[in-house]
Amino acid sequence: DIQMTQSPSTLSASVGDGVTITCRASQSISNWLAWYQQKPGKAPKLLIYKASSLESGVPSRFSGGGSGTEFTLTISSLQPDDFATYYCQHYKSYPYSFGQGTKLEIK
Amino acid sequence: EVQLVESGGGLVQPGGSLRLSCVVSGFTFDNYAMSWVRQAPGKGLEWVLGISGTGSLTYYADSVKGRFTISRDNLKNTLYLQMNSLRAEDTAIYYCAKAVGVGATNYFFDYWGQGALVTVSS
Repeated sequence: DIQMTQSPSTLSASVGDGVTITCRASQSISNWLAWYQQKPGKAPKLLIYKASSLESGVPSRFSGGGSGTEFTLTISSLQPDDFATYYCQHYKSYPYSFGQGTKLEIK
Repeated sequence: EVQLVESGGGLVQPGGSLRLSCVVSGFTFDNYAMSWVRQAPGKGLEWVLGISGTGSLTYYADSVKGRFTISRDNLKNTLYLQMNSLRAEDTAIYYCAKAVGVGATNYFFDYWGQGALVTVSS
């Protein structure tokens, strides 16, 4: 099975900062990777699919990159609404798996 | 508007059973694969089961294989999760999720329900 590892686990930043979250797969997953945002008490929300494709309605300050085993989610200029937990997910084949999450906190 | 609404969660004793339902609307249900994803209290997301649009193909995580069953009724626009032999470690919020993608197994999740809390405790 494919394991996904995110770093960092927690990230402190200020409004206006740019941040990058990294996700690594235990084997190559091509570009079969999605990113989700989750706020407390809410269901996850899709941000990025196929490693770099922006879901409709998601602000352009979010971008994804990478392929193979290393991927990134970048938020170019943090807004107050962006402070949440972020998860990567591979979908190369079943069983799918998620990274352990990165909590983005206000500094 | 796409909607997924889970029901059937609650408190159950270890070794017991529970069935969750997820009623969907706003899209052609049988055109899409579906999955259940769970989240233990304060923990991350765990994919647990998936099913093809027709219901003929099902996929399970090792953690639930042999105990949980996923099924669907395309006439009722409803996804099901039958959970047997429940354990304390199955305590979680269970989300149903609409899958979108390509091929037979390459799916990500574009819509999620609000979740149903399952608590396994004596």
